[in-house]
Amino acid sequence: KAGVTQTPRYLIKTRGQQVTLSCSPISGHRSVSWYQQTPGQGLQFLFEYFSETQRNKGNFPGRFSGRQFSNSRSEMNVSTLELGDSALYLCASSLAGGRAHEQYFGPGTRLTVT
Amino acid sequence: SQQGEEDPQALSIQEGENATMNCSYKTSINNLQWYRQNSGRGLVHLILIRSNEREKHSGRLRVTLDTSKKSSSLLITASRAADTASYFCATDARSGAGSYQLTFGKGTKLSVIP
Repeated sequence: KAGVTQTPRYLIKTRGQQVTLSCSPISGHRSVSWYQQTPGQGLQFLFEYFSETQRNKGNFPGRFSGRQFSNSRSEMNVSTLELGDSALYLCASSLAGGRAHEQYFGPGTRLTVT
Repeated sequence: SQQGEEDPQALSIQEGENATMNCSYKTSINNLQWYRQNSGRGLVHLILIRSNEREKHSGRLRVTLDTSKKSSSLLITASRAADTASYFCATDARSGAGSYQLTFGKGTKLSVIP
């Protein structure tokens, strides 16, 4: 089975711009979660989608949003970028999400905001 | 906010030695997972231990869980240079309305010197 893929792998944006990141989960996985990883805050949960519905949301401002398509692919959008949004954004898929399910991570998208 | 806290933050050992990392968490859990991350890449799932289990093995990995102390340890035996990575524990924290999210600690950075 192909693993979780994320595009693009690297991105440089300017403050105030918006960005869309894409994640393709492992075939058959219906849950996709997004995480932000920074040296200061570590890995922080953004949100989880399951069957096209946002099932869970972390403590991030409304500038961070996402969606999931019928084929389970997911996109994450950040509007009005700030310098502090520079981070590695990781997406993970699992069979059903929630508890007791291991997650399979993609390689991440490295976002740099200048 | 982090549910799990790994200790030590960094660990440097010689190849062939054993490495032990600890994780403490705050609230009750259903399961605890350990992940590995090579520099700047996605996370790889290592092992999942359920709250009713006390010990679990996978190859050179041994995980213990003490729910009374809210702590877990990961032991890597006969370490190799390829084990150099950051190791994270993750717990399933309830996020309200019956939903759960995976919450990661800040990780232990392991360096195995050849």
